[in-house]
Amino acid sequence: GIQVEQSPPDLILQEGANSTLRCNFSDSVNNLQWFHQNPWGQLINLFYIPSGTKQNGRLSATTVATERYSLLYISSSQTTDSGVYFCAVHTTSGTYKYIFGTGTRLKVLA
Amino acid sequence: EPEVTQTPSHQVTQMGQEVILRCVPISNHLYFYWYRQILGQKVEFLVSFYNNEISEKSEIFDDQFSVERPDGSNFTLKIRSTKLEDSAMYFCASTAKGRTEAFFGQGTRLTVV
Repeated sequence: GIQVEQSPPDLILQEGANSTLRCNFSDSVNNLQWFHQNPWGQLINLFYIPSGTKQNGRLSATTVATERYSLLYISSSQTTDSGVYFCAVHTTSGTYKYIFGTGTRLKVLA
Repeated sequence: EPEVTQTPSHQVTQMGQEVILRCVPISNHLYFYWYRQILGQKVEFLVSFYNNEISEKSEIFDDQFSVERPDGSNFTLKIRSTKLEDSAMYFCASTAKGRTEAFFGQGTRLTVV
């Protein structure tokens, strides 16, 4: 099945710094979503981004489906950005499910 | 904004007991899912459900698991005889027909003691 790898696995930033999180996938996908899992375990939907670039405040995401990767940019990071970031891909194989990546654990220090 | 609602948010149960996790998907959605996340690990697919039957299930979804849509609004996951290793966060999700954007509930944290 499709493999979804995220990098880096862990990231520590000082408040105000910028960062880029990467999601690589091994096969064609017809959709990709980015999630932030907060300290309470809830999955917060950040972006629905099968291709192209989207921005929402300090966050933006780019998916290049033909090259099988997506990037999540966090600018001017805040302590509330801490948590785990997951990408999830929806495959073109005919099955109707999302496959989650391995996650990036982000800690932003004050 | 419509959302997927899960209850309870946290459930503690004794090993061997049956538990039912409940979800109310977004009202016009037709595809429903359950996912599981063991503490510190990634989110894993359990089962998808469409037109009152299971569309796909993972190897995790063995005979102790079952899903049901008992009425027009609820979608449930039943674990027949819980084991310690069933302790995890369980997420429900739904998608509209013809769309692939998935909406996830806030999760139910199940603790088996």
